[in-house]
Amino acid sequence: EAQVTQNPRYLITVTGKKLTVTCSQNMNHEYMSWYRQDPGLGLRQIYYSMNVEVTDKGDVPEGYKVSRKEKRNFPLILESPSPNQTSLYFCASSRIQGSGYTFGSGTRLTVV
Amino acid sequence: AQKVTQAQTEISVVEKEDVTLDCVYETRDTTYYLFWYKQPPSGELVFLIRRNSFDEQNEISGRYSWNFQKSTSSFNFTITASQVVDSAVYFCALSDDPSGNTGKLIFGQGTTLQVKP
Repeated sequence: EAQVTQNPRYLITVTGKKLTVTCSQNMNHEYMSWYRQDPGLGLRQIYYSMNVEVTDKGDVPEGYKVSRKEKRNFPLILESPSPNQTSLYFCASSRIQGSGYTFGSGTRLTVV
Repeated sequence: AQKVTQAQTEISVVEKEDVTLDCVYETRDTTYYLFWYKQPPSGELVFLIRRNSFDEQNEISGRYSWNFQKSTSSFNFTITASQVVDSAVYFCALSDDPSGNTGKLIFGQGTTLQVKP
């Protein structure tokens, strides 16, 4: 089954404790992105990647890092999480620009 | 600047009513793509439709239909004979990255649809 898999689905952590949210897709897609969803703001792009070793900042990259060492994986790293990073996070992948994204199931992160 | 506006924050209807969700977009590009996604209470994002800027044909899929009008920069979504299972947040999104590099989707703020039995 074609899918984007995110883990974990839920995470509660404390301020400053480094964490990684994993994302993996099995569709051989070139494009991958991370979005965060906050009430009243819709979804906003954090980082994106066009292919292996090619990543760049989206609209809200502060406090996040990513890497794309393999085509299928695109982890999101929070080196020192803060409460304002409490949000619902989505990973997405796409074959080409405009072709429509497949989204993961989401990761609900709470930073206390 | 690119922007997607969903002016309706919340809509409540009774089952079997028809309902239209509005979406207005802004872009300076001539080539762009428009999408609708559904987010049910379980939280995942479900792709509903993609439309490119050169295809203004309206589309119907079962109880769902979409009206794309470039003249008014609108891409409205109608659910006919709504059902309780249609209750969800619906997002309209725009992809107009001319370089094709960012793959960014610009989302509206979403419309919460509640269908009451």
